[in-house]
Amino acid sequence: EAQVTQNPRYLITVTGKKLTVTCSQNMNHEYMSWYRQDPGLGLRQIYYSMNVEVTDKGDVPEGYKVSRKEKRNFPLILESPSPNQTSLYFCASSTGLAGDTQYFGPGTRLTVL
Amino acid sequence: DAKTTQPNSMESNEEEPVHLPCNHSTISGTDYIHWYRQLPSQGPEYVIHGLTSNVNNRMASLAIAEDRKSSTLILHRATLRDAAVYYCILRGFNTGGFKTIFGAGTRLFVKA
Repeated sequence: EAQVTQNPRYLITVTGKKLTVTCSQNMNHEYMSWYRQDPGLGLRQIYYSMNVEVTDKGDVPEGYKVSRKEKRNFPLILESPSPNQTSLYFCASSTGLAGDTQYFGPGTRLTVL
Repeated sequence: DAKTTQPNSMESNEEEPVHLPCNHSTISGTDYIHWYRQLPSQGPEYVIHGLTSNVNNRMASLAIAEDRKSSTLILHRATLRDAAVYYCILRGFNTGGFKTIFGAGTRLFVKA
C-alpha cells in the first residue's frame, strides 16, 4: 500500500531535549516536505526536499533541521525543542512540486513542556 | 506573498451540490491551485488541482476564474463523508523559493 509513515505519532518531551521525528515514504517520490499545524495559523511549511541531499527552507524553518540521505526518508530534527514548537506535524511526499499531488502522513502530535 | 481567503464554515444538505469559494487575488502566474481536505485526526487528503483551466475528477470539480484571482471547489452531491475542513492552497516558485501557502480552511457541515 502506498503510504507515508511518521514516528512517533505522539510525543511529550521537555525543553532542550533533542528529538527526531521520522518520515518514510514507499512511493519512490523525489519531493518531501514537513509542515506544522497550529490552531488559528493553519498549516505552514517548515522545510522541503527536492531530492537526496537537496533541502530548502519553507516559511517557518527556525528551530528545525532536516536531512535527506536516502530518497525514502526525511527526518525532522529539533536540536533544542522549546514550548513554542508544540504542534501537530505532518510529513508529505510527491512526484513533483507545484503541479503534483502530495501524500500526507498521519501526523505527529508533539508537546514540549 | 500570496495568500488565500476562505469562509470559516459552510453548511450543506446531503445529496445537494456544494460550492466552496476561495479568493487568491495575489496569485502569481506560475502558482498552481490545489484543494485538500482534512478529516479529524488525519492528514490532509488530495481533492483536486489546476493551473488555468477548469478541472474535473471523480471527487470534485474545480472552477478557476479567468483572471485566476479566485476559484471554486464543487462537490456535486455532498455526502456525510464529505464533512471535513477543505483547504485552498497555492503552490509555486517565487523570488523567495518554492512556497506552499495554505488557506485557513472551510469547515463543511453536511446535514442528513
